[in-house]
Amino acid sequence: GNSVTQMEGPVTLSEEAFLTINCTYTATGYPSLFWYVQYPGEGLQLLLKATKADDKGSNKGFEATYRKETTSFHLEKGSVQVSDSAVYFCALSLSGNTPLVFGKGTRLSVIA
Amino acid sequence: KAGVTQTPRYLIKTRGQQVTLSCSPISGHRSVSWYQQTPGQGLQFLFEYFSETQRNKGNFPGRFSGRQFSNSRSEMNVSTLELGDSALYLCASSGTGQSTDTQYFGPGTRLTVL
Repeated sequence: GNSVTQMEGPVTLSEEAFLTINCTYTATGYPSLFWYVQYPGEGLQLLLKATKADDKGSNKGFEATYRKETTSFHLEKGSVQVSDSAVYFCALSLSGNTPLVFGKGTRLSVIA
Repeated sequence: KAGVTQTPRYLIKTRGQQVTLSCSPISGHRSVSWYQQTPGQGLQFLFEYFSETQRNKGNFPGRFSGRQFSNSRSEMNVSTLELGDSALYLCASSGTGQSTDTQYFGPGTRLTVL
């Protein structure tokens, strides 16, 4: 079936450190890929997305590139801030009107 | 443009009761999806409505049901509540529900079943 695998957390980084959160997927077809972020006590917010191979999504200093050959969509940020502390979810959606399939989420804590 | 709103934000119920949650999508959006979020199972898809019709359904028992009104507002209902139904219920809306569409999420309704 279709699934998303994310690196297990929690991830703890110092401010200004480099962030990578790994995400790989299994899908029957060519999915659209998303990263969502959830801050404490809130719903999910779209961080970035890519809808076809080699697309790069970017937002607020975060980037992820859709790699079809490795079925991956790793999230990166060059310099994290305390305000980036949140849970990050990788997700996919297949063609048509199929629902989002989420990874388990990765909790990031950034300390000053 | 106003975001997705969900009411109520918090609910406490006891086993055996039923509950109705409400979701108002972003204006102009016709697709509304519901997800259940728990620490153990993560985010799981419940169902999706488009133009008042259920278009997709996840793997949940029949106690979970929903509907969508002509103004795209949606409700979900859980009957005969069980302890395991305690969760954050998230609603998301998109223009058409296609895979390339962005789904915009509401803040969720936190349901606690005692």
